[in-house]
Amino acid sequence: NAGVTQTPKFQVLKTGQSMTLQCAQDMNHNSMYWYRQDPGMGLRLIYYSASEGTTDKGEVPNGYNVSRLNKREFSLRLESAAPSQTSVYFCASRKPDTVTYEQYFGPGTRLTVT
Amino acid sequence: GENVEQHPSTLSVQEGDSAVIKCTYSDSASNYFPWYKQELGKRPQLIIDIRSNVGEKKDQRIAVTLNKTAKHFSLHITETQPEDSAVYFCAASIGAGTALIFGKGTTLSVSS
Repeated sequence: NAGVTQTPKFQVLKTGQSMTLQCAQDMNHNSMYWYRQDPGMGLRLIYYSASEGTTDKGEVPNGYNVSRLNKREFSLRLESAAPSQTSVYFCASRKPDTVTYEQYFGPGTRLTVT
Repeated sequence: GENVEQHPSTLSVQEGDSAVIKCTYSDSASNYFPWYKQELGKRPQLIIDIRSNVGEKKDQRIAVTLNKTAKHFSLHITETQPEDSAVYFCAASIGAGTALIFGKGTTLSVSS
């Protein structure tokens, strides 16, 4: 199993450009999450999808949209990138059972907006 | 909404000493409290977690305690080793749901 994969690994955008960050998991997990990580700010939840067909806002959803394309894939879109969106973005997924709530993280995408 | 405060932000200890990191949460409905370790340039990984119906959990040198009344939980690492050096994050579930709110992290440095 590849676990949670993210593409691209690195990206540089100009202000106002748009892009989609891709995330996929092959562990048959129900729930998927998008976080951003900034120095000194920890991991902040952007959006999440508790199950296929549902999405919910997290702590910092402004400027982002998400799509739960199917059970495996959960994408994050920046419609008009701003320098404040420079960050490392992590995708995560979680098992459907109630024995463990562990979230498995992808390797991250480092995004710079100039 | 849920808020998680984590202290201290940095912690330096000598090899063999114990390290304690503390977190408080605001949502009394939270029922799951994990701790993640993140090494430089790597992804966060779960090291231990606790559910709200348990007061303490141990895994070798690592333990977590939970005080539901006071809404705080702590990570205890005994006999620290240089490889314990990393950033540690606590988190709390948003109510009884699947999403987590993370603290801002503690950078632990263990010197030999």
